[in-house]
Amino acid sequence: QFQLQESGPGLVKPSETLSLTCAVSGDSMTRDDYHWAWIRQPPGEGLEWIANIHYTGATYYNPSLKSRLTISMDPSRNQFSLNVRSVTTADTAIYYCARWKGASIDFWGQGTLVTVSS
Amino acid sequence: QSALTQPASVSGSPGQSITISCTGTSSDVGGYNSVSWYQQHPGKAPKLMIFDVSYRPSGVSDRFSGSKSGNTASLTISGLQAADEADYYCIAFTSSITYVFGTGTKVTVL
Repeated sequence: QFQLQESGPGLVKPSETLSLTCAVSGDSMTRDDYHWAWIRQPPGEGLEWIANIHYTGATYYNPSLKSRLTISMDPSRNQFSLNVRSVTTADTAIYYCARWKGASIDFWGQGTLVTVSS
Repeated sequence: QSALTQPASVSGSPGQSITISCTGTSSDVGGYNSVSWYQQHPGKAPKLMIFDVSYRPSGVSDRFSGSKSGNTASLTISGLQAADEADYYCIAFTSSITYVFGTGTKVTVL
């Protein structure tokens, strides 16, 4: 059974770096037709695409966030990660990891709430 | 990149049909057949309802259908049911090799 499980700090201080990890189980991360993604949703607001990564190392970032982001993956550990640098309260959101197949997201994690506050 | 434009809310009575629009540009919605639609109930992760403009994943009711004309994609829900009350989002691939979500539409079943 395929599963995605996000893990993160819950609370991050302004100006610090937010680090999230997504554990993948039940399928290979190195299938050519999969990308692995992060998406976020501020409380009460809409969805925002953050970044995608392919096992070949290709990465794709939201232009409005790109300067603060790093997405990476470790297929040997069945996980991929996201770092968001210099966070502000605007980065408070539910962060979802997801599997991208073709041009659509066919599987989502349950999401993890990250609050940026001092 | 700007979010795709969706109506904030759409409502209908049980059994009726409703259509949600998703308007972008020739660099995203209009340029590629890579629009997908997601349903999100409160407190839950989104669920894929339509991919590649008009294809339904296995297990999604045939009451949901998608289409596109020019720079506007549409999701139609026919035979509206109480369980369809949720938020709906479109997302499209862009010419910058990025993705952009729509602003989201709240569907209310009267």
